[in-house]
Amino acid sequence: ETGVTQTPRHLVMGMTNKKSLKCEQHLGHNAMYWYKQSAKKPLELMFVYSLEERVENNSVPSRFSPECPNSSHLFLHLHTLQPEDSALYLCASSQDRQGANVLTFGAGSRLTVL
Amino acid sequence: GQQVMQIPQYQHVQEGEDFTTYCNSSTTLSNIQWYKQRPGGHPVFLIQLVKSGEVKKQKRLTFQFGEAKKNSSLHITATQTTDVGTYFCAGPVNSSASKIIFGSGTRLSIRP
Repeated sequence: ETGVTQTPRHLVMGMTNKKSLKCEQHLGHNAMYWYKQSAKKPLELMFVYSLEERVENNSVPSRFSPECPNSSHLFLHLHTLQPEDSALYLCASSQDRQGANVLTFGAGSRLTVL
Repeated sequence: GQQVMQIPQYQHVQEGEDFTTYCNSSTTLSNIQWYKQRPGGHPVFLIQLVKSGEVKKQKRLTFQFGEAKKNSSLHITATQTTDVGTYFCAGPVNSSASKIIFGSGTRLSIRP
């Protein structure tokens, strides 16, 4: 247990489904991240929230919609995904300050889009 | 945009041999971090380097940060089967501490 919990661990969905990934951190961190990991692009930054404000949206398609209701929780809402969106989605948190922004990752949510 | 590149992509060594992975950034980094991801696992933080020319050691692992703060290396002496995994370097984009981008990783496999 890393202090960052992701659910579900595995998810299979059709292209017309709507689902959500959840991330919760118990470390008192103030920044949370979504990364996508696939064979083509090992660790691709998607979104960053710092103090519950989105500070980065790395040109991610609108079929991925993040939500950060408080500094401990982060969601990734999924709708009308494509098969190429199948990947491991990793959540991470950090204490966001200059020069000491070390990431703690969750175990990931393995997504398969049929 | 800013990129962080890593070589080699794969390395297969005999147990007991040394291993090195290299990381290069297209721009100067305020700091560089290294992570290890075991097969089927998630990235785990190993170390952070901040100063130009800094060298840090963790048992058989030696980490270096280049003088220009644009490159870094990780060297493992006398590899063991527990060293298997993918090693990533990572650094903040420009002055944004929040935006951390990763290199492509080096996957290390070991022949017992």
